[in-house]
Amino acid sequence: AQSVTQLGSHVSVSEGALVLLRCNYSSSVPPYLFWYVQYPNQGLQLLLKYTTGATLVKGINGFEAEFKKSETSFHLTKPSAHMSDAAEYFCAAQAGTALIFGKGTTLSVSS
Amino acid sequence: AAGVIQSPRHLIKEKRETATLKCYPIPRHDTVYWYQQGPGQDPQFLISFYEKMQSDKGSIPDRFSAQQFSDYHSELNMSSLELGDSALYFCASSLFRGPSNTGELFFGEGSRLTVL
Repeated sequence: AQSVTQLGSHVSVSEGALVLLRCNYSSSVPPYLFWYVQYPNQGLQLLLKYTTGATLVKGINGFEAEFKKSETSFHLTKPSAHMSDAAEYFCAAQAGTALIFGKGTTLSVSS
Repeated sequence: AAGVIQSPRHLIKEKRETATLKCYPIPRHDTVYWYQQGPGQDPQFLISFYEKMQSDKGSIPDRFSAQQFSDYHSELNMSSLELGDSALYFCASSLFRGPSNTGELFFGEGSRLTVL
């Protein structure tokens, strides 16, 4: 069965610092992978997704993620954190026609 | 641009009562998904529909049922509510592109159910 593991339930960075949110998936077949962001009391917004092709995927708000099959990873990065990036981030993998989400990582950004 | 519309946004019910949540997908989207997100939890997939037929089933309790109507809107019916059903219920819609290539899911703002 497909599963998604997000390492670190809470990540804190300073404004302007690198953001790195980790995600590993388990599957014998590389799945489609996604990163979503959720702001308080709001829905889920797609940041980026990997389906096929280029392994480095660029998303909205300056985020990008790299699919590494050898490491079964799909880590999310942003070179310089902004206060507005503070939110909950979910990594997800497609299983059948639905998405399976990781437990989420709360990103805090301090000034 | 039109988004996924969910109603009601907030709902308060007593234990053992029944609740119905509604979801209106983005126009022309033919697939609807329901997710349940408990407090501080990740979204859990409940069920999905494609062209009014159930396409996939997740961890949906037997007390819950759902359907998709001819206009593609969907309703999630929850009976014999329990305290543990208190959660944010998300609906998402997408345009089906094949069994191995789900189109991007667009999520609604969610319906928050509180069971007292």
